[in-house]
Amino acid sequence: EAGVAQSPRYKIIEKRQSVAFWCNPISGHATLYWYQQILGQGPKLLIQFQNNGVVDDSQLPKDRFSAERLKGVDSTLKIQPAKLEDSAVYLCASSPVGLAGLNEQFFGPGTRLTVL
Amino acid sequence: AQSVTQPDIHITVSEGASLELRCNYSYGATPYLFWYVQSPGQGLQLLLKYFSGDTLVQGIKGFEAEFKRSQSSFNLRKPSVHWSDAAEYFCAVEGRGGSYIPTFGRGTSLIVHP
Repeated sequence: EAGVAQSPRYKIIEKRQSVAFWCNPISGHATLYWYQQILGQGPKLLIQFQNNGVVDDSQLPKDRFSAERLKGVDSTLKIQPAKLEDSAVYLCASSPVGLAGLNEQFFGPGTRLTVL
Repeated sequence: AQSVTQPDIHITVSEGASLELRCNYSYGATPYLFWYVQSPGQGLQLLLKYFSGDTLVQGIKGFEAEFKRSQSSFNLRKPSVHWSDAAEYFCAVEGRGGSYIPTFGRGTSLIVHP
Protein backbone atom coordinates (compact mmCIF):
# COMPACT_ATOMS: atom_id res chain seq x y z
CA GLU A 1 0.00 0.00 0.00
CA ALA A 2 1.13 3.55 -0.60
CA GLY A 3 2.53 5.40 2.40
CA VAL A 4 1.76 8.84 3.76
CA ALA A 5 2.58 11.47 1.17
CA GLN A 6 3.73 14.96 1.98
CA SER A 7 4.64 17.95 -0.14
CA PRO A 8 6.72 19.90 -0.57
CA ARG A 9 9.75 18.13 0.89
CA TYR A 10 11.65 21.35 1.40
CA LYS A 11 10.61 24.98 1.69
CA ILE A 12 12.58 28.14 2.32
CA ILE A 13 10.74 31.35 3.06
CA GLU A 14 11.39 34.69 4.70
CA LYS A 15 9.86 35.62 8.02
CA ARG A 16 6.36 37.07 7.82
CA GLN A 17 5.64 35.13 4.64
CA SER A 18 2.99 32.43 4.44
CA VAL A 19 3.48 28.74 3.72
CA ALA A 20 1.27 25.69 3.34
CA PHE A 21 2.02 21.99 3.64
CA TRP A 22 -0.02 19.17 2.23
CA CYS A 23 -0.52 15.63 3.50
CA ASN A 24 -2.29 12.66 1.96
CA PRO A 25 -2.69 9.85 4.51
CA ILE A 26 -2.85 6.14 3.84
CA SER A 27 -6.16 5.25 2.26
CA GLY A 28 -8.78 4.38 4.84
CA HIS A 29 -6.93 5.83 7.81
CA ALA A 30 -9.33 7.87 9.89
CA THR A 31 -6.83 9.58 12.17
CA LEU A 32 -4.38 12.17 10.92
CA TYR A 33 -1.71 13.99 12.90
CA TRP A 34 0.52 16.98 12.25
CA TYR A 35 3.76 17.24 14.23
CA GLN A 36 6.46 19.85 14.48
CA GLN A 37 9.98 18.50 14.96
CA ILE A 38 12.57 21.11 15.80
CA LEU A 39 16.18 20.09 15.28
CA GLY A 40 17.41 18.02 18.22
CA GLN A 41 13.94 17.46 19.65
CA GLY A 42 11.23 14.87 19.40
CA PRO A 43 8.07 15.46 17.41
CA LYS A 44 5.53 17.69 19.08
CA LEU A 45 1.88 17.13 18.24
CA LEU A 46 0.25 20.19 16.72
CA ILE A 47 -3.15 18.84 15.78
CA GLN A 48 -4.96 15.52 15.58
CA PHE A 49 -7.97 14.83 13.36
CA GLN A 50 -10.44 11.97 13.55
CA ASN A 51 -12.00 11.93 10.09
CA ASN A 52 -12.62 15.64 9.49
CA GLY A 53 -13.11 16.59 13.15
CA VAL A 54 -10.42 17.96 15.46
CA VAL A 55 -9.56 15.69 18.40
CA ASP A 56 -6.85 17.88 19.88
CA ASP A 57 -5.22 21.16 18.87
CA SER A 58 -4.06 22.32 22.28
CA GLN A 59 -0.45 22.78 21.12
CA LEU A 60 -1.27 24.53 17.85
CA PRO A 61 -0.30 28.24 17.90
CA LYS A 62 -3.66 29.32 16.60
CA ASP A 63 -2.66 32.94 16.06
CA ARG A 64 -0.51 31.86 13.12
CA PHE A 65 -1.10 28.17 12.44
CA SER A 66 -4.21 26.64 10.93
CA ALA A 67 -5.06 23.19 9.64
CA GLU A 68 -7.96 21.60 7.90
CA ARG A 69 -8.93 18.17 6.74
CA LEU A 70 -11.71 18.56 4.25
CA LYS A 71 -13.73 15.45 3.46
CA GLY A 72 -11.76 13.51 6.04
CA VAL A 73 -8.96 12.59 3.65
CA ASP A 74 -6.03 14.85 2.86
CA SER A 75 -5.00 17.77 5.03
CA THR A 76 -3.32 21.14 4.80
CA LEU A 77 -1.29 22.89 7.48
CA LYS A 78 -0.72 26.62 7.04
CA ILE A 79 1.53 29.12 8.77
CA GLN A 80 0.73 32.81 8.38
CA PRO A 81 2.88 34.76 9.09
CA ALA A 82 5.97 32.63 9.66
CA LYS A 83 8.53 33.36 12.36
CA LEU A 84 12.15 32.30 12.60
CA GLU A 85 11.29 29.81 15.35
CA ASP A 86 8.96 27.96 12.98
CA SER A 87 11.99 26.47 11.23
CA ALA A 88 11.49 22.74 11.71
CA VAL A 89 10.42 19.54 10.02
CA TYR A 90 6.67 19.17 9.80
CA LEU A 91 5.59 15.56 9.96
CA CYS A 92 2.26 14.14 9.00
CA ALA A 93 1.12 10.75 10.27
CA SER A 94 -2.00 8.65 9.98
CA SER A 95 -3.43 5.66 11.78
CA PRO A 96 -6.31 3.29 11.09
CA VAL A 97 -9.89 3.63 12.22
CA GLY A 98 -10.43 3.49 15.93
CA LEU A 99 -8.89 4.81 19.08
CA ALA A 100 -5.51 6.27 18.27
CA GLY A 101 -3.78 4.68 21.23
CA LEU A 102 -4.44 1.23 19.89
CA ASN A 103 -3.03 1.78 16.47
CA GLU A 104 0.36 2.32 14.96
CA GLN A 105 1.06 5.71 13.43
CA PHE A 106 2.47 5.74 9.92
CA PHE A 107 4.64 8.75 9.21
CA GLY A 108 5.34 10.63 6.04
CA PRO A 109 8.85 11.82 5.13
CA GLY A 110 8.17 15.33 6.41
CA THR A 111 8.57 18.84 5.06
CA ARG A 112 11.68 20.72 6.13
CA LEU A 113 10.87 24.41 6.57
CA THR A 114 13.57 27.04 6.83
CA VAL A 115 12.51 30.57 7.78
CA LEU A 116 15.10 33.25 7.05
CA ALA B 1 0.41 15.77 32.13
CA GLN B 2 2.31 12.92 30.60
CA SER B 3 6.00 13.28 29.76
CA VAL B 4 8.84 11.19 28.38
CA THR B 5 12.52 11.36 29.28
CA GLN B 6 15.28 9.91 27.18
CA PRO B 7 18.35 10.74 29.25
CA ASP B 8 20.95 9.87 26.61
CA ILE B 9 21.31 12.30 23.71
CA HIS B 10 23.94 10.15 21.98
CA ILE B 11 24.95 6.52 22.37
CA THR B 12 28.00 5.05 20.63
CA VAL B 13 28.45 1.31 20.28
CA SER B 14 30.61 -0.99 18.22
CA GLU B 15 29.03 -3.16 15.60
CA GLY B 16 28.11 -6.49 17.15
CA ALA B 17 27.85 -5.09 20.65
CA SER B 18 24.66 -5.06 22.67
CA LEU B 19 22.52 -1.95 23.00
CA GLU B 20 20.17 -0.50 25.58
CA LEU B 21 18.39 2.82 25.12
CA ARG B 22 16.67 4.26 28.15
CA CYS B 23 13.18 5.69 28.38
CA ASN B 24 11.33 6.89 31.47
CA TYR B 25 7.82 8.24 31.47
CA SER B 26 5.58 10.18 33.77
CA TYR B 27 1.89 9.38 33.76
CA GLY B 28 -0.76 8.67 36.36
CA ALA B 29 -1.35 5.13 35.21
CA THR B 30 0.17 2.75 32.70
CA PRO B 31 0.17 4.45 29.32
CA TYR B 32 0.53 2.96 25.90
CA LEU B 33 4.27 2.85 25.12
CA PHE B 34 6.07 2.97 21.79
CA TRP B 35 9.54 3.03 20.28
CA TYR B 36 10.09 4.60 16.88
CA VAL B 37 13.20 4.82 14.70
CA GLN B 38 14.02 7.67 12.35
CA SER B 39 16.74 7.27 9.75
CA PRO B 40 18.21 10.40 8.14
CA GLY B 41 15.74 12.02 5.77
CA GLN B 42 13.06 9.45 6.62
CA GLY B 43 9.84 9.52 8.54
CA LEU B 44 9.47 7.67 11.81
CA GLN B 45 8.90 3.92 11.76
CA LEU B 46 7.37 1.94 14.61
CA LEU B 47 9.73 -0.62 16.16
CA LEU B 48 7.43 -1.97 18.85
CA LYS B 49 4.61 -1.11 21.22
CA TYR B 50 3.30 -2.11 24.61
CA PHE B 51 -0.38 -2.06 25.52
CA SER B 52 -0.80 -4.76 28.17
CA GLY B 53 0.17 -8.30 29.06
CA ASP B 54 3.71 -9.62 28.75
CA THR B 55 6.08 -6.87 29.82
CA LEU B 56 8.77 -7.97 27.37
CA VAL B 57 7.74 -7.06 23.85
CA GLN B 58 9.40 -8.04 20.62
CA GLY B 59 9.65 -5.71 17.67
CA ILE B 60 11.02 -5.52 14.19
CA LYS B 61 14.70 -5.63 13.25
CA GLY B 62 15.60 -7.72 16.32
CA PHE B 63 14.65 -5.09 18.89
CA GLU B 64 12.87 -5.75 22.15
CA ALA B 65 11.74 -3.58 25.04
CA GLU B 66 10.82 -4.27 28.63
CA PHE B 67 8.14 -2.40 30.53
CA LYS B 68 8.94 -1.98 34.22
CA ARG B 69 6.03 -0.42 36.08
CA SER B 70 8.00 0.07 39.32
CA GLN B 71 10.61 2.13 37.48
CA SER B 72 8.26 3.81 34.99
CA SER B 73 10.63 2.67 32.30
CA PHE B 74 10.43 1.16 28.84
CA ASN B 75 14.02 0.52 27.75
CA LEU B 76 14.86 -0.65 24.25
CA ARG B 77 17.42 -3.41 23.74
CA LYS B 78 19.16 -5.26 20.97
CA PRO B 79 21.68 -8.05 21.57
CA SER B 80 23.88 -7.34 18.56
CA VAL B 81 23.89 -4.01 16.76
CA HIS B 82 24.36 -3.72 13.00
CA TRP B 83 25.80 -0.68 11.23
CA SER B 84 22.39 -0.09 9.63
CA ASP B 85 20.89 0.50 13.09
CA ALA B 86 22.54 3.93 13.23
CA ALA B 87 19.58 6.31 13.50
CA GLU B 88 17.56 8.42 15.90
CA TYR B 89 15.36 6.52 18.34
CA PHE B 90 12.26 7.99 19.96
CA CYS B 91 10.25 6.73 22.87
CA ALA B 92 6.62 7.81 22.96
CA VAL B 93 3.64 7.46 25.28
CA GLU B 94 -0.08 7.86 24.87
CA GLY B 95 -2.42 8.23 27.81
CA ARG B 96 -5.31 5.84 28.27
CA GLY B 97 -7.65 8.55 29.46
CA GLY B 98 -9.55 8.75 26.23
CA SER B 99 -7.81 11.39 24.17
CA TYR B 100 -4.76 9.28 23.30
CA ILE B 101 -2.56 12.30 22.68
CA PRO B 102 0.96 11.10 21.84
CA THR B 103 4.02 12.57 23.58
CA PHE B 104 7.51 11.90 22.28
CA GLY B 105 10.85 12.01 24.02
CA ARG B 106 13.62 14.14 22.55
CA GLY B 107 15.33 11.12 21.02
CA THR B 108 18.62 9.26 21.33
CA SER B 109 21.06 9.29 18.46
CA LEU B 110 22.73 5.91 17.96
CA ILE B 111 26.20 5.89 16.44
CA VAL B 112 27.64 2.55 15.36
CA HIS B 113 31.38 2.09 14.97
CA PRO B 114 32.65 -0.63 12.64
